[in-house]
Amino acid sequence: GAGVSQSPSNKVTEKGKDVELRCDPISGHTALYWYRQSLGQGLEFLIYFQGNSAPDKSGLPSDRFSAERTGGSVSTLTIQRTQQEDSAVYLCASSLEADQPQHFGDGTRLSIL
Amino acid sequence: AQSVTQPDIHITVSEGASLELRCNYSYGATPYLFWYVQSPGQGLQLLLKYFSGDTLVQGIKGFEAEFKRSQSSFNLRKPSVHWSDAAEYFCAVGLEYGNKLVFGAGTILRVKS
Repeated sequence: GAGVSQSPSNKVTEKGKDVELRCDPISGHTALYWYRQSLGQGLEFLIYFQGNSAPDKSGLPSDRFSAERTGGSVSTLTIQRTQQEDSAVYLCASSLEADQPQHFGDGTRLSIL
Repeated sequence: AQSVTQPDIHITVSEGASLELRCNYSYGATPYLFWYVQSPGQGLQLLLKYFSGDTLVQGIKGFEAEFKRSQSSFNLRKPSVHWSDAAEYFCAVGLEYGNKLVFGAGTILRVKS
């Protein structure tokens, strides 16, 4: 497809479990971003990848959160030992270059029981 | 710290009426400014952007926005609203050449017939 693809679209898991969220950016886009959208906090930046540079992790809320981007394309956001406050929609975006507009996927809705 | 304020949480307008959604930002330099729209269960769709140059920018779906440096504002306008415009609208500031978007809390637009 032409857009940013995220999977799964919905994920329900028990507190304490680990989860992995996947993002396929638009082909050729060098920059990839993760955001979190929750009722209490709105839309928050989590992490940013640009080419082969070290990622900007300044938005990750705790060390339970990590992300990687393999081969400059697909990215995986991992949340370890999930807590109920991790429940949110996790949005991925990509852009052609860092200073270009970001295109968003439809998100993964994560629910922690 | 950089921030974006959307003072109206909800707005209701009649179909065919004009619309203005307010956005104010706090940022030391001239920021990159964006408006995104989100329909339920969907990701964010870019309506328009301001990087530099002409302070009145045109976007998709008949929307426009005006950057006013003196007021630190970037209000979104549409002369005649359609029922399909009902959605949530987010203003965002792009820091450091457009990455790490900082979002406002969003304005939910309801269109009544």
